[in-house]
Amino acid sequence: DTAVSQTPKYLVTQMGNDKSIKCEQNLGHDTMYWYKQDSKKFLKIMFSYNNKELIINETVPNRFSPKSPDKAHLNLHINSLELGDSAVYFCASSQLQGAGNTIYFGEGSWLTVV
Amino acid sequence: TQLLEQSPQFLSIQEGENLTVYCNSSSVFSSLQWYRQEPGEGPVLLVTVVTGGEVKKLKRLTFQFGDARKDSSLHITAAQPGDTGLYLCAGERGTYKYIFGTGTRLKVLA
Repeated sequence: DTAVSQTPKYLVTQMGNDKSIKCEQNLGHDTMYWYKQDSKKFLKIMFSYNNKELIINETVPNRFSPKSPDKAHLNLHINSLELGDSAVYFCASSQLQGAGNTIYFGEGSWLTVV
Repeated sequence: TQLLEQSPQFLSIQEGENLTVYCNSSSVFSSLQWYRQEPGEGPVLLVTVVTGGEVKKLKRLTFQFGDARKDSSLHITAAQPGDTGLYLCAGERGTYKYIFGTGTRLKVLA
Protein backbone atom coordinates (compact mmCIF):
# COMPACT_ATOMS: atom_id res chain seq x y z
CA ASP A 1 0.00 0.00 0.00
CA THR A 2 2.83 2.42 -0.82
CA ALA A 3 1.47 5.95 -0.96
CA VAL A 4 4.00 7.29 -3.49
CA SER A 5 5.72 4.68 -5.57
CA GLN A 6 8.38 5.25 -8.18
CA THR A 7 10.20 2.92 -10.55
CA PRO A 8 12.88 1.96 -11.08
CA LYS A 9 14.58 2.23 -7.70
CA TYR A 10 18.03 1.82 -9.23
CA LEU A 11 19.15 2.76 -12.73
CA VAL A 12 22.65 2.60 -14.16
CA THR A 13 23.02 3.88 -17.70
CA GLN A 14 25.56 5.31 -20.11
CA MET A 15 26.04 8.91 -21.06
CA GLY A 16 23.89 9.99 -23.97
CA ASN A 17 21.08 7.53 -23.25
CA ASP A 18 17.45 8.50 -22.69
CA LYS A 19 15.67 7.15 -19.60
CA SER A 20 12.37 7.52 -17.79
CA ILE A 21 11.33 7.30 -14.16
CA LYS A 22 7.69 6.63 -13.37
CA CYS A 23 5.75 7.79 -10.35
CA GLU A 24 2.30 7.06 -9.02
CA GLN A 25 0.49 8.22 -5.89
CA ASN A 26 -2.63 6.64 -4.40
CA LEU A 27 -3.33 9.41 -1.88
CA GLY A 28 -5.76 11.31 -4.06
CA HIS A 29 -3.53 14.39 -3.96
CA ASP A 30 -3.79 17.12 -6.56
CA THR A 31 -0.13 18.11 -6.53
CA MET A 32 2.94 16.08 -7.49
CA TYR A 33 6.62 16.97 -7.54
CA TRP A 34 10.00 15.84 -8.72
CA TYR A 35 12.96 16.61 -6.47
CA LYS A 36 16.65 15.93 -7.08
CA GLN A 37 18.99 15.05 -4.21
CA ASP A 38 22.69 15.36 -4.95
CA SER A 39 25.63 13.59 -3.37
CA LYS A 40 25.74 16.18 -0.58
CA LYS A 41 22.13 15.34 0.27
CA PHE A 42 20.84 18.71 -0.90
CA LEU A 43 17.23 18.32 -1.97
CA LYS A 44 16.09 20.66 -4.73
CA ILE A 45 12.71 20.96 -6.38
CA MET A 46 12.66 20.41 -10.12
CA PHE A 47 9.00 20.42 -11.14
CA SER A 48 5.57 20.63 -9.63
CA TYR A 49 2.24 19.73 -11.23
CA ASN A 50 -1.21 20.52 -9.95
CA ASN A 51 -4.07 18.62 -11.54
CA LYS A 52 -1.86 17.72 -14.52
CA GLU A 53 -0.81 21.33 -15.03
CA LEU A 54 2.82 22.42 -14.69
CA ILE A 55 3.10 25.07 -11.98
CA ILE A 56 6.77 25.03 -11.03
CA ASN A 57 9.76 24.58 -13.32
CA GLU A 58 12.95 25.38 -11.49
CA THR A 59 15.46 26.21 -14.24
CA VAL A 60 15.90 22.57 -15.08
CA PRO A 61 17.64 21.78 -18.41
CA ASN A 62 15.14 21.04 -21.13
CA ARG A 63 16.61 17.54 -21.41
CA PHE A 64 14.30 16.85 -18.46
CA SER A 65 10.67 16.57 -19.48
CA PRO A 66 7.95 15.73 -16.96
CA LYS A 67 4.64 14.31 -18.08
CA SER A 68 1.47 13.98 -16.07
CA PRO A 69 -1.13 11.81 -17.86
CA ASP A 70 -3.48 12.19 -14.87
CA LYS A 71 -3.23 13.66 -11.41
CA ALA A 72 -2.09 10.37 -9.89
CA HIS A 73 0.92 10.01 -12.18
CA LEU A 74 3.96 12.14 -12.87
CA ASN A 75 6.72 10.66 -14.98
CA LEU A 76 10.14 12.10 -15.65
CA HIS A 77 11.92 11.58 -18.94
CA ILE A 78 15.56 12.51 -19.32
CA ASN A 79 17.23 12.84 -22.72
CA SER A 80 20.94 12.69 -23.49
CA LEU A 81 21.98 11.79 -19.98
CA GLU A 82 25.10 13.45 -18.59
CA LEU A 83 27.42 12.46 -15.75
CA GLY A 84 26.08 15.35 -13.67
CA ASP A 85 22.59 13.89 -13.80
CA SER A 86 23.69 11.18 -11.38
CA ALA A 87 21.60 11.70 -8.25
CA VAL A 88 18.62 10.39 -6.36
CA TYR A 89 15.33 11.56 -7.85
CA PHE A 90 12.36 11.75 -5.51
CA CYS A 91 8.77 11.90 -6.56
CA ALA A 92 6.39 13.43 -4.04
CA SER A 93 2.80 14.53 -3.64
CA SER A 94 0.78 16.83 -1.42
CA GLN A 95 -2.69 18.24 -1.02
CA LEU A 96 -3.11 21.97 -0.56
CA GLN A 97 -4.62 22.65 2.87
CA GLY A 98 -3.48 26.17 3.61
CA ALA A 99 -0.09 26.90 5.11
CA GLY A 100 2.09 23.90 5.75
CA ASN A 101 1.16 21.05 3.46
CA THR A 102 2.64 17.64 4.16
CA ILE A 103 4.77 16.42 1.29
CA TYR A 104 4.79 12.66 0.92
CA PHE A 105 7.93 11.35 -0.73
CA GLY A 106 8.57 8.16 -2.62
CA GLU A 107 11.58 6.02 -1.82
CA GLY A 108 13.71 7.58 -4.52
CA SER A 109 15.23 6.46 -7.79
CA TRP A 110 19.01 6.19 -7.71
CA LEU A 111 20.31 7.19 -11.12
CA THR A 112 23.97 6.58 -11.98
CA VAL A 113 25.28 7.78 -15.32
CA VAL A 114 28.57 6.20 -16.39
CA THR B 1 22.49 30.59 -3.28
CA GLN B 2 21.35 28.45 -0.35
CA LEU B 3 18.29 30.07 1.15
CA LEU B 4 18.19 27.78 4.18
CA GLU B 5 21.42 27.00 5.98
CA GLN B 6 21.46 24.27 8.57
CA SER B 7 24.02 23.84 11.29
CA PRO B 8 25.77 21.76 12.19
CA GLN B 9 26.25 19.81 8.97
CA PHE B 10 27.33 16.69 10.82
CA LEU B 11 26.80 15.67 14.41
CA SER B 12 27.93 12.51 16.17
CA ILE B 13 26.90 12.14 19.79
CA GLN B 14 26.50 9.51 22.47
CA GLU B 15 23.15 8.09 23.43
CA GLY B 16 21.52 10.18 26.15
CA GLU B 17 23.04 13.51 25.10
CA ASN B 18 21.00 16.53 24.08
CA LEU B 19 21.46 18.39 20.81
CA THR B 20 20.11 21.33 18.85
CA VAL B 21 20.00 21.73 15.08
CA TYR B 22 19.53 25.17 13.56
CA CYS B 23 17.91 26.25 10.32
CA ASN B 24 18.61 29.85 9.31
CA SER B 25 17.62 32.13 6.49
CA SER B 26 17.42 35.79 5.61
CA SER B 27 14.05 35.15 3.99
CA VAL B 28 10.63 34.99 5.60
CA PHE B 29 8.63 31.80 5.23
CA SER B 30 4.89 31.27 5.57
CA SER B 31 5.58 27.98 7.30
CA LEU B 32 8.52 25.77 8.08
CA GLN B 33 8.75 22.02 8.23
CA TRP B 34 11.22 19.50 9.57
CA TYR B 35 11.76 16.16 7.91
CA ARG B 36 13.87 13.14 8.79
CA GLN B 37 15.35 10.98 6.08
CA GLU B 38 16.82 7.54 6.64
CA PRO B 39 19.22 5.83 4.22
CA GLY B 40 17.52 4.51 1.12
CA GLU B 41 14.23 6.24 1.88
CA GLY B 42 12.50 9.50 1.18
CA PRO B 43 12.13 12.27 3.78
CA VAL B 44 9.28 11.92 6.26
CA LEU B 45 7.57 14.91 7.81
CA LEU B 46 8.10 15.41 11.54
CA VAL B 47 6.38 18.73 12.14
CA THR B 48 5.05 21.91 10.58
CA VAL B 49 5.27 25.28 12.34
CA VAL B 50 3.29 28.21 11.03
CA THR B 51 3.21 31.05 13.56
CA GLY B 52 6.24 33.13 14.54
CA GLY B 53 7.48 32.02 17.95
CA GLU B 54 5.54 28.76 17.78
CA VAL B 55 6.90 25.82 19.76
CA LYS B 56 5.85 22.25 19.08
CA LYS B 57 6.84 19.11 20.90
CA LEU B 58 6.95 15.60 19.54
CA LYS B 59 8.01 13.29 22.37
CA ARG B 60 11.71 14.12 22.91
CA LEU B 61 11.83 16.54 19.98
CA THR B 62 11.09 20.25 20.42
CA PHE B 63 10.68 22.50 17.40
CA GLN B 64 10.63 26.28 17.45
CA PHE B 65 9.86 28.78 14.71
CA GLY B 66 11.64 32.11 15.03
CA ASP B 67 9.60 35.19 15.89
CA ALA B 68 10.35 36.69 12.48
CA ARG B 69 9.65 33.39 10.70
CA LYS B 70 13.15 33.32 9.21
CA ASP B 71 14.68 30.57 11.30
CA SER B 72 13.90 27.46 13.28
CA SER B 73 15.51 25.05 15.68
CA LEU B 74 15.11 21.40 16.51
CA HIS B 75 16.13 20.23 19.97
CA ILE B 76 16.41 16.56 20.83
CA THR B 77 16.52 15.52 24.47
CA ALA B 78 18.26 12.30 25.51
CA ALA B 79 19.07 11.23 21.97
CA GLN B 80 18.68 7.57 21.04
CA PRO B 81 20.24 5.53 18.23
CA GLY B 82 16.84 5.53 16.54
CA ASP B 83 17.16 9.30 16.08
CA THR B 84 20.03 8.75 13.64
CA GLY B 85 19.30 10.18 10.22
CA LEU B 86 19.40 13.22 7.97
CA TYR B 87 17.32 16.11 9.29
CA LEU B 88 16.03 18.58 6.75
CA CYS B 89 14.18 21.82 7.30
CA ALA B 90 11.97 23.13 4.53
CA GLY B 91 10.55 26.62 4.22
CA GLU B 92 7.39 27.45 2.32
CA ARG B 93 8.00 30.21 -0.22
CA GLY B 94 4.69 30.27 -1.99
CA THR B 95 1.99 27.81 -2.83
CA TYR B 96 3.44 24.37 -3.54
CA LYS B 97 7.02 25.60 -3.27
CA TYR B 98 9.19 24.34 -0.45
CA ILE B 99 12.87 25.21 -0.23
CA PHE B 100 14.88 22.58 1.57
CA GLY B 101 17.78 23.29 3.89
CA THR B 102 21.31 22.01 3.51
CA GLY B 103 20.69 19.14 5.93
CA THR B 104 22.14 17.90 9.20
CA ARG B 105 23.43 14.35 9.42
CA LEU B 106 22.97 13.05 12.93
CA LYS B 107 24.52 9.88 14.27
CA VAL B 108 23.69 8.71 17.77
CA LEU B 109 26.06 6.09 19.14
CA ALA B 110 24.84 3.45 21.56
